Amino acid sequence: GAVVSQHPSRVICKSGTSVKIECRSLDFQATTMFWYRQFPKKSLMLMATSNEGSKATYEQGVEKDKFLINHASLTLSTLTVTSAHPEDSSFYICSASLLPGQGARNIQYFGAGTRLSVL
Amino acid sequence: GEDVEQSLFLSVREGDSSVINCTYTDSSSTYLYWYKQEPGAGLQLLTYIFSNMDMKQDQRLTVLLNKKDKHLSLRIADTQTGDSAIYFCAESIESGGYNKLIFGAGTRLAVHP
Repeated sequence: GAVVSQHPSRVICKSGTSVKIECRSLDFQATTMFWYRQFPKKSLMLMATSNEGSKATYEQGVEKDKFLINHASLTLSTLTVTSAHPEDSSFYICSASLLPGQGARNIQYFGAGTRLSVL
Repeated sequence: GEDVEQSLFLSVREGDSSVINCTYTDSSSTYLYWYKQEPGAGLQLLTYIFSNMDMKQDQRLTVLLNKKDKHLSLRIADTQTGDSAIYFCAESIESGGYNKLIFGAGTRLAVHP
């Protein structure tokens, strides 16, 4: 149980285009989903927290107009990298936590990640 | 402030025990976690420990928590080549009604024959 699917696993795009990454909780409902960015051989940096039906909360230094997050349902959150540039190339990972009452609310289950390469 | 630190690299012989250490700074952390990441993949939750516990054992994994020193360790018994991966320690911080994870930089475990 508690499977998180992230799609696509890899994307290569031209500079200036927008890329959408999907994060789905397959067998549970997630009140909260998180988006992280991981640089090579570095730790995960939290970019934003999204709650179903409300605006995402962005961490300091993360441009909300650059990284658009939508959490339209309890099983789907999307991250759109707008007008991507080479410096946006990175590994993006999402996670989801369970609804209250469904288990340990503090546990985050992670997707497999999306490697974005901007040419 | 919020900070989690881990040593970056550990090399062990197959069959030996591995011990990965972590220190954290926020004494209000309610949960502490160990995640495993294999190359090009997401994070797999290995185990977690509630802050009022000293030890948790799950098959080959043993987690020790010293809350006074804010020190967490993960021991892997009978380490196998399949255990080679990056191991992340994380603390849980309550922020704005949800729990935010603060990760260490990860410890790369290399298992050799």
